[in-house]
Amino acid sequence: AQSVTQPDIHITVSEGASLELRCNYSYGATPYLFWYVQSPGQGLQLLLKYFSGDTLVQGIKGFEAEFKRSQSSFNLRKPSVHWSDAAEYFCAVVPNRDDKIIFGKGTRLHILP
Amino acid sequence: DAMVIQNPRYQVTQFGKPVTLSCSQTLNHNVMYWYQQKSSQAPKLLFHYYDKDFNNEADTPDNFQSRRPNTSFCFLDIRSPGLGDAAMYLCATSRGRALSREKLFFGSGTQLSVL
Repeated sequence: AQSVTQPDIHITVSEGASLELRCNYSYGATPYLFWYVQSPGQGLQLLLKYFSGDTLVQGIKGFEAEFKRSQSSFNLRKPSVHWSDAAEYFCAVVPNRDDKIIFGKGTRLHILP
Repeated sequence: DAMVIQNPRYQVTQFGKPVTLSCSQTLNHNVMYWYQQKSSQAPKLLFHYYDKDFNNEADTPDNFQSRRPNTSFCFLDIRSPGLGDAAMYLCATSRGRALSREKLFFGSGTQLSVL
């Protein structure tokens, strides 16, 4: 079945440390890939997206993500997290040119001072 | 400036008492969506409007209805809320329906509690 998996429900890192949030998808072809962030009490905001081309994508707020076809993964990274990065992060896919977007269950990021 | 506005931020209703959540947008987007998001779960699409064309998801309960009187406003009506309907309800918009190309803009959500 088609799915988007975020294996980590919660991640805790210290402020200033590096971050990697995992996302795997299972679709026949390479889908369109997204990362969204949801700060407490807010709606979802697009961080970055991958359609084609360079597999390393730069987004807002210093985030980047790397598409790895061989691993069906699209992991989100940030070299040094800030306390304001504490939020929930959702990986999402749009299969081919479908009009539906499928969200993962999210990873909640906690930041230690 | 907020572009997708949801009111109220928190809504408390009683079991079985109809409730309406509202969403407005200043983006003049053609598509408006309603998502239900329960704790620790992915947002789940309930339905969307493409202009005046209503598109219901197959697994959306009949208890949930929607109205879009004009481009700017969209309402979610829950006719007889049950305890299982307590959730965050997110409104989103996009210029077009091809989400492979279009960006989704979300409101801040309405947190619904059912007593």
